[in-house]
Amino acid sequence: QKEVEQNSGPLSVPEGAIASLNCTYSDRVSQSFFWYRQYSGKSPELIMSIYSNGDKEDGRFTAQLNKASQYVSLLIRDSQPSDSATYLCAVTSRTNAGKSTFGDGTTLTVKP
Amino acid sequence: EADIYQTPRYLVIGTGKKITLECSQTMGHDKMYWYQQDPGMELHLIHYSYGVNSTEKGDLSSESTVSRIRTEHFPLTLESARPSHTSQYLCASSEGGGSNYGYTFGSGTRLTVV
Repeated sequence: QKEVEQNSGPLSVPEGAIASLNCTYSDRVSQSFFWYRQYSGKSPELIMSIYSNGDKEDGRFTAQLNKASQYVSLLIRDSQPSDSATYLCAVTSRTNAGKSTFGDGTTLTVKP
Repeated sequence: EADIYQTPRYLVIGTGKKITLECSQTMGHDKMYWYQQDPGMELHLIHYSYGVNSTEKGDLSSESTVSRIRTEHFPLTLESARPSHTSQYLCASSEGGGSNYGYTFGSGTRLTVV
């Protein structure tokens, strides 16, 4: 089992819809959770971070964390074609000396 | 505006050559990382540093070496390039003092060894 698993893609949604990206992790003492966006041919860009159970909203993006279920998700409301990218989930834990462990990524395509 | 800089952006080099990929950051971050990523594939950690004179190998076996003589500078060197080293190399940094900080990535160096 991988330490960080993301739902296999690719994921395709119509413009204006809600895109839901999911991530599970295996280390129960994980502390910090991040979502990165990576456009094709570009480097990853940090878009959300979450540390406590519940929801965290930033514009059209909402991160949700459930530590009991070891689950973190990213919702993108009113999806735009410019949201088409690969989204990477990353988890940081003291047991990994504070380094982030990245998932394989989920590729999202938003169709006009 | 990039606060972490990688040079060169693209590099094509012959087999057996020695190369150094440069990475510098202006944010004063203690932690720096090198990742290797093939197109459409996952990130692989090859080296990291938690401060000056501190370097560690990552999860992916690599024939490269790194140094951290100054906080802002974390170069990666390949003593003898091979076609198997063809990949994108990404440098990243984060603040120290715990695990609550995400990474800032540079633009990457796309290396082709012919």
